[in-house]
Amino acid sequence: AQSVAQPEDQVNVAEGNPLTVKCTYSVSGNPYLFWYVQYPNRGLQFLLKYITGDNLVKGSYGFEAEFNKSQTSFHLKKPSALVSDSALYFCAVRDKRRAAGNKLTFGGGTRVLVKP
Amino acid sequence: DSGVTQTPKHLITATGQRVTLRCSPRSGDLSVYWYQQSLDQGLQFLIQYYNGEERAKGNILERFSAQQFPDLHSELNLSSLELGDSALYFCASSGSGLTNEKLFFGSGTQLSVL
Repeated sequence: AQSVAQPEDQVNVAEGNPLTVKCTYSVSGNPYLFWYVQYPNRGLQFLLKYITGDNLVKGSYGFEAEFNKSQTSFHLKKPSALVSDSALYFCAVRDKRRAAGNKLTFGGGTRVLVKP
Repeated sequence: DSGVTQTPKHLITATGQRVTLRCSPRSGDLSVYWYQQSLDQGLQFLIQYYNGEERAKGNILERFSAQQFPDLHSELNLSSLELGDSALYFCASSGSGLTNEKLFFGSGTQLSVL
């Protein structure tokens, strides 16, 4: 069965500094990986996805993620964090079994706090 | 605004009761998904519908059921409620339900079972 792990419950960063949110995955075969963000009292919003191709994926709001097959990681990054980036971030993997439809398995989430 | 509408936003009920959560997908989206978010279980996939038909099933309890109607809105029915069913229930939609499509999430229904 596929799974994702987000080893950090919370990441604190000063505004203007680089932000990294870690994600590792466990799947058989090639993974389909996603990042979503959840702001307070809101639903999740799609940031980016990796299906195939370049290991560096660019997404919304200046975020990017680096796929590393040898380390089975898909870390989310932003070169310069903003206070408005404070939110809950989820890494997810899609179940590739035909019967699973478009089901996503989410990690436990990482809360990001960007301080002014 | 994602375009996905969920009602009600908050629901407080007692153990043993039955409730219905409603979801209207984005205009034109054929696929609807239900997820449960709780502190102990995290985000769990419940079920996916595509154009009225069940497409995929996750960790949905037998006490829970869902359906998607001809106008594409969906309802999640929760019965014989237990304290542990208290959670935030999200609905999401996508265009065709094809794999690797991004999902658009509603703001959720916060269910409190007392």
